[in-house]
Amino acid sequence: SQTIHQWPATLVQPVGSPLSLECTVEGTSNPNLYWYRQAAGRGLQLLFYSVGIGQISSEVPQNLSASRPQDRQFILSSKKLLLSDSGFYLCAWSVRVRETQYFGPGTRLLVL
Amino acid sequence: AQKVTQAQTEISVVEKEDVTLDCVYETRDTTYYLFWYKQPPSGELVFLIRRNSFDEQNEISGRYSWNFQKSTSSFNFTITASQVVDSAVYFCALSGGGADGLTFGKGTHLIIQP
Repeated sequence: SQTIHQWPATLVQPVGSPLSLECTVEGTSNPNLYWYRQAAGRGLQLLFYSVGIGQISSEVPQNLSASRPQDRQFILSSKKLLLSDSGFYLCAWSVRVRETQYFGPGTRLLVL
Repeated sequence: AQKVTQAQTEISVVEKEDVTLDCVYETRDTTYYLFWYKQPPSGELVFLIRRNSFDEQNEISGRYSWNFQKSTSSFNFTITASQVVDSAVYFCALSGGGADGLTFGKGTHLIIQP
């Protein structure tokens, strides 16, 4: 069966510091991968998605970036965090685009 | 552009009551999928159901049932005989519209009181 992991689970970072969140999927090959952000009291916003190694599409311009160095690894990064980057970051995978997405446990990020 | 509206921000009921969560969507696509996810306090989104735009049959799974009506662009979710463990935030989502991700509603926080 497929499983999706995210780490760290919780992170507190100062403004201006770098960020690296990691997501890995097990039990499937060539998944589509997604990063979402859920800010307090709001719905989920798609940040990035990837249909293959090295292929990244950005939905919302911001100071975040994503990379996919391996088939089942998806990384969310920032060079300098802003207060507005605080939120709950969720990684998801799907077999095909626009089909059911399965989510990881998420990372709670607090920027102070 | 696509849009999903969950007008009920929060619903509170007493255990064993039936409760319906509303979802209204907007899309120009003729082919799309609709989804419901559950987000318990732990935060992880749990997939509940997917519906194809061509299949308007209602579906029942245990205490859960879904009513999809294309004519009113609605995909409502009913929990029968609610239980405290049903307490969570429930999200309705839509695929299609040229985007590769899902468009989510803002969620309905369901509170089941014992």
